[in-house]
Amino acid sequence: EPEVTQTPSHQVTQMGQEVILRCVPISNHLYFYWYRQILGQKVEFLVSFYNNEISEKSEIFDDQFSVERPDGSNFTLKIRSTKLEDSAMYFCASSERGTHYGYTFGSGTRLTVV
Amino acid sequence: GEDVEQSLFLSVREGDSSVINCTYTDSSSTYLYWYKQEPGAGLQLLTYIFSNMDMKQDQRLTVLLNKKDKHLSLRIADTQTGDSAIYFCAETPDRGGFQKLVFGTGTRLLVSP
Repeated sequence: EPEVTQTPSHQVTQMGQEVILRCVPISNHLYFYWYRQILGQKVEFLVSFYNNEISEKSEIFDDQFSVERPDGSNFTLKIRSTKLEDSAMYFCASSERGTHYGYTFGSGTRLTVV
Repeated sequence: GEDVEQSLFLSVREGDSSVINCTYTDSSSTYLYWYKQEPGAGLQLLTYIFSNMDMKQDQRLTVLLNKKDKHLSLRIADTQTGDSAIYFCAETPDRGGFQKLVFGTGTRLLVSP
């Protein structure tokens, strides 16, 4: 069964550093998403991406964050100048035709900012 | 804004039925979902229900939707130890476009032998 692949599974970074979280969506999917889950809290929407541009973003997704699909297969989330409160599990997801058909989520990247 | 609430924990014995409940606030939700998260894994879509339905059955899973009360439940028949996981309720606010998912807090289901 096709999978969404996320790397790395766990990343530790120092406060103030930049991190790039990587995702390989399912190859024929057209919609891409990032969500995050702070420990003990809800899974929160960050951003959706379609046709090489952001289609929707949440209030969390401020100028510190950016997304890119650099080569037609990878989908990345960049977090600049990381803060302690950015520590969370970050999930990438993709879907073929939008939410109503369900997403496929990756296993997540656990980001720890120290 | 949208809000989705779930109880945090449910413990059952193997072979019993489990019922996980969820309430939501957005009356314009079009689709409601149940996702499962096993340790170290991503979120796996279990089933979904369209808002004009009140029940959907899929093997051991039964979803009930009470749209008037904005209440969604997931019943797992003959619960197995392999069903131990966190179960998330989610809804799609009906705003068109590339709808985001709004998740509940998740219910941790523990199935004991």
